Amino acid sequence: DVKVTQSSRYLVKRTGEKVFLECVQDMDHENMFWYRQDPGLGLRLIYFSYDVKMKEKGDIPEGYSVSREKKERFSLILESASTNQTSMYLCASAFFGNVEQYFGPGTRLTVT
Amino acid sequence: GQQVMQIPQYQHVQEGEDFTTYCNSSTTLSNIQWYKQRPGGHPVFLIQLVKSGEVKKQKRLTFQFGEAKKNSSLHITATQTTDVGTYFCAGGASGSARQLTFGSGTQLTVLP
Repeated sequence: DVKVTQSSRYLVKRTGEKVFLECVQDMDHENMFWYRQDPGLGLRLIYFSYDVKMKEKGDIPEGYSVSREKKERFSLILESASTNQTSMYLCASAFFGNVEQYFGPGTRLTVT
Repeated sequence: GQQVMQIPQYQHVQEGEDFTTYCNSSTTLSNIQWYKQRPGGHPVFLIQLVKSGEVKKQKRLTFQFGEAKKNSSLHITATQTTDVGTYFCAGGASGSARQLTFGSGTQLTVLP
């Protein structure tokens, strides 16, 4: 079974803090993705990576950065958290090509 | 960029009634995928459609891909309480590393 894990299920941070969200997959997938999910807006792609040290912006990259130093690990970084970044963050991974994505359990981040 | 619209946003049905959600893309898709997210859970892959006009069935669920490969639908016959959740379509574009653009989802409530 594919397993995608995320470092925290719930996280509360203060405005201006630097926040790290980590995602690990165990299936040797090339592609990894970070989405945020907000009511009525579906899943919006923040960043994705198709190889180690490679990254590309998604639809809403502003205020975020990512790091992929190892194939199995993809980190999302909020350099200076703001209240409008309060959301559910979902990580996903997939083999290269238009195939199914496997999602982690999500991290519900609250920025106060 | 590619946009995927999904309607309705919410649907309440009585148990035993049918349910349909529709997905429309602004561009021609190489494939369309459907995911289900149970309340409190993460999106889980249901199916992928690739061919123009393709129809696939999974028990009470019927998935269709339009002839022009720009729209799709998911139909559930005789809903059950276990069908509760949010259904997302996700459109794939050939040659795109990002793989998928998700619709905003349809949240299904089934009343017993």
